[in-house]
Amino acid sequence: GAVVSQHPSWVICKSGTSVKIECRSLDFQATTMFWYRQFPKQSLMLMATSNEGSKATYEQGVEKDKFLINHASLTLSTLTVTSAHPEDSSFYICSAQGWGGSTDTQYFGPGTRLTVL
Amino acid sequence: AQSVTQLGSHVSVSEGALVLLRCNYSSSVPPYLFWYVQYPNQGLQLLLKYTSAATLVKGINGFEAEFKKSETSFHLTKPSAHMSDAAEYFCAVSDQGGADGLTFGKGTHLIIQP
Repeated sequence: GAVVSQHPSWVICKSGTSVKIECRSLDFQATTMFWYRQFPKQSLMLMATSNEGSKATYEQGVEKDKFLINHASLTLSTLTVTSAHPEDSSFYICSAQGWGGSTDTQYFGPGTRLTVL
Repeated sequence: AQSVTQLGSHVSVSEGALVLLRCNYSSSVPPYLFWYVQYPNQGLQLLLKYTSAATLVKGINGFEAEFKKSETSFHLTKPSAHMSDAAEYFCAVSDQGGADGLTFGKGTHLIIQP
């Protein structure tokens, strides 16, 4: 139980284009989803927290207009990287928390590797 | 604000030897503590968690960790290392009962030598 999927697993795009990443909780209802960013050989940094039906809360230093987060349902959150640039290349990982799993535990997706050319 | 320090970016042990990965935390409130494992190009898998119950926590794959408040530590151990344990290990802390975004340590790369 408590499985989280992400799609796509990897994406390559041209500079200036937008990319959407999906995060789904497959067997539980995620009241809260988190988005993290991981640079090569480094730790995860929290980007934003989203609660179903509410606007996301962004961490300091994260551009909300660049990283658009939508959490429209209890099983789906999306992260859209707008006007992507090479410095946005990274590994993006989502996690979900809610009913059906342990409410004090985040379950992580497999991650999406974004490469911006 | 909470923080996590993992001592040793790389730890190398022989197969069959004791694994000890160190984690110290800072939190202004009783923390929830987590250990996750990450295999190359994959997401994170929960190994174990401390949520203010028993101080010795047993997790998956033979790992366990002990919460020591006096030392503000939550070190991860395994009695006998296996080649499949080679991975990146992250310690994380939450000061809102796990309901907030986690603060992660920098990670420890565990190397298992045959």
